[in-house]
Amino acid sequence: GQQVMQIPQYQHVQEGEDFTTYCNSSTTLSNIQWYKQRPGGHPVFLIQLVKSGEVKKQKRLTFQFGEAKKNSSLHITATQTTDVGTYFCARGTGKLIFGQGTTLQVKP
Amino acid sequence: DGGITQSPKYLFRKEGQNVTLSCEQNLNHDAMYWYRQDPGQGLRLIYYSQIVNDFQKGDIAEGYSVSREKKESFPLTVTSAQKNPTAFYLCASSQSAWLGNQPQHFGDGTRLSIL
Repeated sequence: GQQVMQIPQYQHVQEGEDFTTYCNSSTTLSNIQWYKQRPGGHPVFLIQLVKSGEVKKQKRLTFQFGEAKKNSSLHITATQTTDVGTYFCARGTGKLIFGQGTTLQVKP
Repeated sequence: DGGITQSPKYLFRKEGQNVTLSCEQNLNHDAMYWYRQDPGQGLRLIYYSQIVNDFQKGDIAEGYSVSREKKESFPLTVTSAQKNPTAFYLCASSQSAWLGNQPQHFGDGTRLSIL
């Protein structure tokens, strides 16, 4: 249905390694939003992707929207301890449907 | 400083008791939302409101009630009918629920536990 599946559920990396989380849908997405939730905190909006094949960058973070608009990814280059948290993708307009999130742990 | 304020930060409920979680925003947003988050899980929508005096059920509305009498306020009541209320409750708002592609702004959340 309208679910979005995120993989992996957990990822442990050494500081300096790269990290990628994937968001997949069985149906075409009109847009995809990405949020970050620090441990004990609340989700914070990172970015929104709308166009097929779109790629956006925020410093070490690269967001991609698939050509078929059925998947998206978030890639972090050279992770830092400040990247720790859970990353959620969300689909929808107004009423958002969130993926289960990928929790990133970074070992210093 | 604009934002969303949720209170209290921690709340304990006795069996058979209704409790109300407060959510206030000064962002002048039309749309407001309530989510429930269980450990290690994503956010599930409880209720949402697109405009004052109107609200709709989300995916897990049973055992909850809301009101939207003012644009700034969207309180959530966890009733005694909600048998498993222990969770982290997040309130959010967006500029409009009808306009596409609106990011949501979240409050700091309320952690509810059963005594």
